[in-house]
Amino acid sequence: DQQVKQNSPSLSVQEGRISILNCDYTNSMFDYFLWYKKYPAEGPTFLISISSIKDKNEDGRFTVFLNKSAKHLSLHIVPSQPGDSAVYFCAAREGTSGTYKYIFGTGTRLKVLA
Amino acid sequence: KAGVTQTPRYLIKTRGQQVTLSCSPISGHRSVSWYQQTPGQGLQFLFEYFSETQRNKGNFPGRFSGRQFSNSRSEMNVSTLELGDSALYLCASSLGWVVGQENTEAFFGQGTRLTVV
Repeated sequence: DQQVKQNSPSLSVQEGRISILNCDYTNSMFDYFLWYKKYPAEGPTFLISISSIKDKNEDGRFTVFLNKSAKHLSLHIVPSQPGDSAVYFCAAREGTSGTYKYIFGTGTRLKVLA
Repeated sequence: KAGVTQTPRYLIKTRGQQVTLSCSPISGHRSVSWYQQTPGQGLQFLFEYFSETQRNKGNFPGRFSGRQFSNSRSEMNVSTLELGDSALYLCASSLGWVVGQENTEAFFGQGTRLTVV
């Protein structure tokens, strides 16, 4: 059973517009959420994160929103640039007593069109 | 500061063989996690090691095992390889979760692409 879901496998956006990537989760015990970006032939790179006690975190062009009641988070990229074209994974942290693991979604391939 | 290093980058093995993959974490990081990435499945968690102890394990068969050494370097072993084990295996290192510390994001290596024929 997929605890972290990214229901859109791909997304195309025009350069300069907003990209919105969505992620849903089922486990209310997740306490920390992250977004990673992955280019082909490279490992995922950390992008932005948010604690479950917050509803928004912003870093430059990237903003992550968390709606705990809906168990939904989203990543907004404004403005989108061609270099943002990559696969984006959302991840949720699960753990207690100092031990944890990250549960990843299946990824969304973003294509930013010039 | 060197990043996470995984070796080898590419590997081709025959069904039934075994394979060992290596991961050197970022200096100072004591937590190492392994993930399997296959098309359409995202990153599936294999296991996590901290200070040479396996603290967490995903839903993979016993053919998948790992260990961590005192210098935090980690190895992952897959025995009796099956065609379905063909995947990108990613290693991630982090400081490890400290209570009250928010930034425990994992840093990934480039992965080892394993092909089983």
